[in-house]
Amino acid sequence: GAGVSQSPSNKVTEKGKDVELRCDPISGHTALYWYRQSLGQGLEFLIYFQGNSAPDKSGLPSDRFSAERTGGSVSTLTIQRTQQEDSAVYLCASSVRAPLQESLYFGPGTRLLVL
Amino acid sequence: AQTVTQSQPEMSVQEAETVTLSCTYDTSENNYYLFWYKQPPSRQMILVIRQEAYKQQNATENRFSVNFQKAAKSFSLKISDSQLGDTAMYFCAFMKHGGAQKLVFGQGTRLTINP
Repeated sequence: GAGVSQSPSNKVTEKGKDVELRCDPISGHTALYWYRQSLGQGLEFLIYFQGNSAPDKSGLPSDRFSAERTGGSVSTLTIQRTQQEDSAVYLCASSVRAPLQESLYFGPGTRLLVL
Repeated sequence: AQTVTQSQPEMSVQEAETVTLSCTYDTSENNYYLFWYKQPPSRQMILVIRQEAYKQQNATENRFSVNFQKAAKSFSLKISDSQLGDTAMYFCAFMKHGGAQKLVFGQGTRLTINP
């Protein structure tokens, strides 16, 4: 079946502009994550949604970052007033919340470049 | 807080050889999961193998196997009969059981399989 999809695959923007990154999780997956991968680095947790519970926003680096998940499916990560240090690959992942089935399925990512 | 360390930034082997990637982690948790993910140039993260900490038996998936040493907090990945398609970044990751399913990643090992 279809995997996790993300759009756009690449985004170039100017410093100070706002950007929106989209994630379509696997159908039926109730958990959705956003991670950030900077050049040559591992993955940094940003935010986690689980069903109708309040999201875990503990990884968001500043108040310029926000995310929402509409209808328990599609999620949008918004970065306001982008800075050059926001340049990274933003990865979305989803999983089925069930005992011992906690593998995450990642999307291909959005590469963001802030000039 | 949990940390994951991959001490080998890069590795290179010949096709058909066996290669072992190292991973150590630090945690005070007793129940947790460990993962190895593969990230090819396409950027999509692919789950290679996972291990539940309560299981003493090492996980295997075809040519991929792990050496899980809980007391030593070590979780190495062995790739047997390596293939050109195994060329990728490999990330070791930790997730505690229960609560938010946050993966904590290592910095990654870039593996190159040479013909």
